[in-house]
Amino acid sequence: AQSVSQHNHHVILSEAASLELGCNYSYGGTVNLFWYVQYPGQHLQLLLKYFSGDPLVKGIKGFEAEFIKSKFSFNLRKPSVQWSDTAEYFCAVSGAGSYQLTFGKGTKLSVIP
Amino acid sequence: GAVVSQHPSRVICKSGTSVKIECRSLDFQATTMFWYRQFPKQSLMLMATSNEGSKATYEQGVEKDKFLINHASLTLSTLTVTSAHPEDSSFYICSARSSGEPDTQYFGPGTRLTVL
Repeated sequence: AQSVSQHNHHVILSEAASLELGCNYSYGGTVNLFWYVQYPGQHLQLLLKYFSGDPLVKGIKGFEAEFIKSKFSFNLRKPSVQWSDTAEYFCAVSGAGSYQLTFGKGTKLSVIP
Repeated sequence: GAVVSQHPSRVICKSGTSVKIECRSLDFQATTMFWYRQFPKQSLMLMATSNEGSKATYEQGVEKDKFLINHASLTLSTLTVTSAHPEDSSFYICSARSSGEPDTQYFGPGTRLTVL
């Protein structure tokens, strides 16, 4: 069975600090990888996704993630966070072609002005 | 584009009653819809997958007779929690995928169910 592990439950940063949220997955085949964001009071929104090709994926709002197959990782990064990035971030994985997502437990990011 | 709505956003009901939650894709045809349950401070857990016109596929441990899913059209899926009990109180979220972007799910805003 596939699983997703997010290393940090809650991350607190000051504005302009750099961000890296860890995500490791366990799956025995080809995977599709996703990062979703849930702003306070809002629904889950797709931040970025990786299916194949360049392992460095750029998403919306300046976020990027790097797929490192050897480490089974898909860490999310942003060079300089803003207060508006305060949200909960979920890493998710699906087997290629399966469409079913397995989510990590989420990381809450709080950005202090 | 790719907007998914849910109704109602919040519902409070008495124990033993049934509650229906609707999930609609507003600007695309959803070949598949998914229903998730989210407990406080925990991840989304997939409950079932529904394809238009066919029976839903339930994940292990999810009671089919308790959580009835109907995917009657390409834009509407419903989840009915039958004979609800306090332990069914949770946040229910649906998602939908289209044939145009088969590997991407778009999520609804969720429904907060409280069973008294």
